[in-house]
Amino acid sequence: GAVVSQHPSRVICKSGTSVKIECRSLDFQATTMFWYRQFPKQSLMLMATSNEGSKATYEQGVEKDKFLINHASLTLSTLTVTSAHPEDSSFYICSARDLAGNSPLHFGNGTRLTVT
Amino acid sequence: GENVEQHPSTLSVQEGDSAVIKCTYSDSASNYFPWYKQELGKRPQLIIDIRSNVGEKKDQRIAVTLNKTAKHFSLHITETQPEDSAVYFCAASMGNYGQNFVFGPGTRLSVLP
Repeated sequence: GAVVSQHPSRVICKSGTSVKIECRSLDFQATTMFWYRQFPKQSLMLMATSNEGSKATYEQGVEKDKFLINHASLTLSTLTVTSAHPEDSSFYICSARDLAGNSPLHFGNGTRLTVT
Repeated sequence: GENVEQHPSTLSVQEGDSAVIKCTYSDSASNYFPWYKQELGKRPQLIIDIRSNVGEKKDQRIAVTLNKTAKHFSLHITETQPEDSAVYFCAASMGNYGQNFVFGPGTRLSVLP
């Protein structure tokens, strides 16, 4: 089945620094990937839709200058949290779909970000 | 836009009993309804899904029913086991490829031995 790989799984950074999270579709091409944020005991909240070769589409309330998304190839999307603050600490999960096969959404393992 | 509600938020059942989780959606254009299981600190895993042209789908101990008229769908787990304990999310999406997923708030299921 479709596999989505996400790295790193955990990251601790100091306030004010930037963190990059990678999301890869390993055995399929994904023209679109999705980035979610999940706070403890809460649901998955869509942050942005990453489109290969074009600008990402951000959900209302998500700062595009703070959460930089790059989808440079059909198998890789990156999310960079810039000038991270403690309130950015969360579980970030990417997902992708094999549009060629009209398949369900598959998730990466997630990245636990802790900003100190 | 689409709004998905999910009930109950927590559910405890005895091992061997059945568990039912219900979701409602607001947009009649939604046509794809997956269910995901998420264990603590792990990725959501698709467990079953249903499309709007089907009223019911079953996979071993798991079944999903869909009522398009009432705009609700339910997850049924029979003969529950401790390893079924997790958070379950329903979702609704629309479009030819179901790209615009909206997730419910989740149900924390605890199966007591």
